[in-house]
Amino acid sequence: GQSLEQPSEVTAVEGAIVQINCTYQTSGFYGLSWYQQHDGGAPTFLSYNALDGLEETGRFSSFLSRSDSYGYLLLQELQMKDSASYFCASPGVAGNMLTFGGGTRLMVKP
Amino acid sequence: GAGVSQSPSNKVTEKGKDVELRCDPISGHTALYWYRQSLGQGLEFLIYFQGNSAPDKSGLPSDRFSAERTGGSVSTLTIQRTQQEDSAVYLCASSLDGSNSPLHFGNGTRLTVT
Repeated sequence: GQSLEQPSEVTAVEGAIVQINCTYQTSGFYGLSWYQQHDGGAPTFLSYNALDGLEETGRFSSFLSRSDSYGYLLLQELQMKDSASYFCASPGVAGNMLTFGGGTRLMVKP
Repeated sequence: GAGVSQSPSNKVTEKGKDVELRCDPISGHTALYWYRQSLGQGLEFLIYFQGNSAPDKSGLPSDRFSAERTGGSVSTLTIQRTQQEDSAVYLCASSLDGSNSPLHFGNGTRLTVT
């Protein structure tokens, strides 16, 4: 089996930097993905890490440390529109279905 | 291009009735997933189809739930004898080849069982 743990809520102010952590326990490891979901909307893909290190995509970056079974999503220059839920996800077996963490609700305040 | 399409967007049904939820994946995507999401909760895996392989049904919560995918494209999730605890948003997603390709989600079907 596999499980991914995330904080349930994070609050930050506009313009700040926030880090959302994800720790995982999986029978195998085939990469860590991040998805964003606005209230009432569908999850959308943000990033994927297969190897250790930092992947940067604009204001969003994702980090992975396989030795620590840990990853995080870093959001810079926060904007109000970044208020959403963020999910980490991983397949337990190569090419298999994704298991999602419980999600972190990010609230950005003015 | 067209994304993942789900229908209906909303469904209200009486306890004990059967419902069918439909998913049209992105053309050319071989992998198709069904997830369930209760209000404010995470995504619960239900079933996964990949090409012509036998589906992974390990997430189906009971034998009242079944799904099929015809011609490697459209999928239907059927819930028989619905219960109130089945009320949730049912999300369908497709990906190019089911490896680490990103999942593209539809907008979901909100099911309410009264």
